[in-house]
Amino acid sequence: DVKVTQSSRYLVKRTGEKVFLECVQDMDHENMFWYRQDPGLGLRLIYFSYDVKMKEKGDIPEGYSVSREKKERFSLILESASTNQTSMYLCASSSRGGATDTQYFGPGTRLTVL
Amino acid sequence: DAKTTQPPSMDCAEGRAANLPCNHSTISGNEYVYWYRQIHSQGPQYIIHGLKNNETNEMASLIITEDRKSSTLILPHATLRDTAVYYCIVGAYGNKLVFGAGTILRVKS
Repeated sequence: DVKVTQSSRYLVKRTGEKVFLECVQDMDHENMFWYRQDPGLGLRLIYFSYDVKMKEKGDIPEGYSVSREKKERFSLILESASTNQTSMYLCASSSRGGATDTQYFGPGTRLTVL
Repeated sequence: DAKTTQPPSMDCAEGRAANLPCNHSTISGNEYVYWYRQIHSQGPQYIIHGLKNNETNEMASLIITEDRKSSTLILPHATLRDTAVYYCIVGAYGNKLVFGAGTILRVKS
């Protein structure tokens, strides 16, 4: 069974804190993605990575950074959390060599910034 | 911006077929049609994809019109567990997928 896991299901942080969201996949996938999901706005791509140590900005990268030191792990970093970053964060992975871009998603982390 | 148009919500009786439409009139020749669904409090789940031929797997069937400007996802025997938001996405292989608002499917007993 394919597996994408995220470090926390629920997280509460204070404004100004540095926040790390971790994502691990066990499928040896090259591609990994971070989305946020907000009511009425759907899923929006924050950052993605096609390989270790590579990263590309998505549609809403402001206020976020990422790290991909190992193939299986993709971290999303909020350098200084703000209340407008309260959201559901979803990680996904896909195989570059596959016939499609089928993305496998983790269960999500619901982050609340107070 | 999403390249697809879907109805915001639909209802279906349990045990009946659920037919979810999607319009993608600006689809390019190298773009696939993907369907995902998201059950409450879970991450999205891949269902099926196609280029121009109809496709079927253990979860659903995908019917794509000959001009490729629209498609229909068919869940042949909907159950209560199929209640979810269904996303129709158009994208070329190697490009990022853009999720729109989707269709909320409510399966009722």
